[in-house]
Amino acid sequence: SQTIHQWPATLVQPVGSPLSLECTVEGTSNPNLYWYRQAAGRGLQLLFYSVGIGQISSEVPQNLSASRPQDRQFILSSKKLLLSDSGFYLCAWSKGQGMRGYTFGSGTRLTVV
Amino acid sequence: SQQGEEDPQALSIQEGENATMNCSYKTSINNLQWYRQNSGRGLVHLILIRSNEREKHSGRLRVTLDTSKKSSSLLITASRAADTASYFCATDVATGNQFYFGTGTSLTVIP
Repeated sequence: SQTIHQWPATLVQPVGSPLSLECTVEGTSNPNLYWYRQAAGRGLQLLFYSVGIGQISSEVPQNLSASRPQDRQFILSSKKLLLSDSGFYLCAWSKGQGMRGYTFGSGTRLTVV
Repeated sequence: SQQGEEDPQALSIQEGENATMNCSYKTSINNLQWYRQNSGRGLVHLILIRSNEREKHSGRLRVTLDTSKKSSSLLITASRAADTASYFCATDVATGNQFYFGTGTSLTVIP
């Protein structure tokens, strides 16, 4: 069966520090991968999506970047965190366009202090 | 932005009652999905309805779609305390591959 792993679960980082969040998928090949951010009590904002290795599309200009070094690995990074980067980050995968739905990871709660 | 909006933002009902949540969106879609999120967790896919469908059922869930009004509703019948969660709609765009999520409805079912 397919599983998605996202870590760490929580992270507290000082302003100006770097960030690396990792997401891996097991049990499938060539998934579409997504990074979302959810502000407290708000909806999900699509940050990046990838349809293949090295193929990254960015939805909003921001302080973050994403990479897909392997088929089932998706990494969210920042060189210097801002206070406004705080939030709940969710990784998700889908087969193709997601007609069977997206499968989400358990999320990373990032607090920038 | 294609992001949808759910209405109401928050809903509190007694166990056994029905809960109805609405979603409105802006541009033409191919598909609309509903998800559930327990506090501090990832989202779980509930149901997908295609643009050429008007109604779909899954267990205690009933979803309707009105493309002329660009709106959808999610009905949870005979609610249970375990249904307490946030519910989100997600829409794609007719020319794209991604799903965009709404702002969510927070449902509280009181035992």
